[in-house]
Amino acid sequence: DTAVSQTPKYLVTQMGNDKSIKCEQNLGHDTMYWYKQDSKKFLKIMFSYNNKELIINETVPNRFSPKSPDKAHLNLHINSLELGDSAVYFCASSQVTLRDRTHYGYTFGSGTRLTVV
Amino acid sequence: GDSVTQMEGPVTLSEEAFLTINCTYTATGYPSLFWYVQYPGEGLQLLLKATKADDKGSNKGFEATYRKETTSFHLEKGSVQVSDSAVYFCACTSGTYKYIFGTGTRLKVLA
Repeated sequence: DTAVSQTPKYLVTQMGNDKSIKCEQNLGHDTMYWYKQDSKKFLKIMFSYNNKELIINETVPNRFSPKSPDKAHLNLHINSLELGDSAVYFCASSQVTLRDRTHYGYTFGSGTRLTVV
Repeated sequence: GDSVTQMEGPVTLSEEAFLTINCTYTATGYPSLFWYVQYPGEGLQLLLKATKADDKGSNKGFEATYRKETTSFHLEKGSVQVSDSAVYFCACTSGTYKYIFGTGTRLKVLA
């Protein structure tokens, strides 16, 4: 039973299109994330939700819009796709014990490879 | 701002060689530190972690010790295998929820 699952695994689309990537976790974690990995493997955080509340919103074009219908799901919608959006997008989840800020590590999905042509 | 610096790869070793991948961090307070591994075509998997100074994280023969005085968390393994070939990422927490990742170090182990 996959802990963090993303769909689709591959997405090839034309410039200008709108697309969505879905993510679901069954770990009971309270926080979910979107990261972008470029062709050089560099990982950059985009967004994070904690209990459906947006808590991290990095400098990302507003063509990217996250949505968290509940704490087990975090989707990413991208409008007007551009060539530079081609990358691998990873969803992750974590549980942080706020009392002592104990971090147990992120659990990552297997990624969505987006290719814009 | 907070940052993580890893040695550039690729690192190429023969099977059974000793591995060290250096990682240093800049962060305020007392961050937690992690090593992640990414095999081709897969997501990142947590390899080991340490949450306070002098903690040693270990898993699958890999080890790293949280050194606050040198702000380092170097990854070591005594004898690498071909199956260890992957990209390794060092990460530290930044604030309550965010992790900062290093640029990754590709390891290639030759039989």
